[in-house]
Amino acid sequence: NAGVTQTPKFQVLKTGQSMTLQCAQDMNHNSMYWYRQDPGMGLRLIYYSASEGTTDKGEVPNGYNVSRLNKREFSLRLESAAPSQTSVYFCASFDRSQETQYFGPGTRLLVL
Amino acid sequence: QKEVEQDPGPLSVPEGAIVSLNCTYSNSAFQYFMWYRQYSRKGPELLMYTYSSGNKEDGRFTAQVDKSSKYISLFIRDSQPSDSATYLCAMRRGGGADGLTFGKGTHLIIQP
Repeated sequence: NAGVTQTPKFQVLKTGQSMTLQCAQDMNHNSMYWYRQDPGMGLRLIYYSASEGTTDKGEVPNGYNVSRLNKREFSLRLESAAPSQTSVYFCASFDRSQETQYFGPGTRLLVL
Repeated sequence: QKEVEQDPGPLSVPEGAIVSLNCTYSNSAFQYFMWYRQYSRKGPELLMYTYSSGNKEDGRFTAQVDKSSKYISLFIRDSQPSDSATYLCAMRRGGGADGLTFGKGTHLIIQP
């Protein structure tokens, strides 16, 4: 049981480049989430998917798009990266029986 | 005013001391309250979860929620150097797939 996995672990982009952050979970959870963590700001919700086929905006969705590819996978896309998107990105999935969100190890993104 | 306030610290205490970590919040709709622990360069991991007001104990950890004061606490007894980490409070409104609202996290250092 790998839990929540994220790729890549670290990425450097130039302003204007695009990239997709990948997330997968093997716990058969319905709901998945993307957060960003910045110094002094805590974790903030970007987008979430309550179930396969649905996505909703969180607190800070501007500049991002998401795709819930299937029940296991939830990707986050930056179409035109900006330095303000330099952050650590965490994916999470929700275990309803435990009322718990499980987090992945994170992706560190640096936009120059 | 941010929805969830948490002193970022750092909080430094000697090994064996009782640690008290706290958060206040402004939104009375929050019903589910969590404490996550995050080691450097890792994803958050759930420590304690409480629904509505009351206390919950798990080993050396005790979580308290006072909804009338909009105040939550985490106590760590017999603190160990391995408890050194950032502690994040988190909360959400309803059951199900709602995303979490986090505090900024408190950096805790346990001195051997």
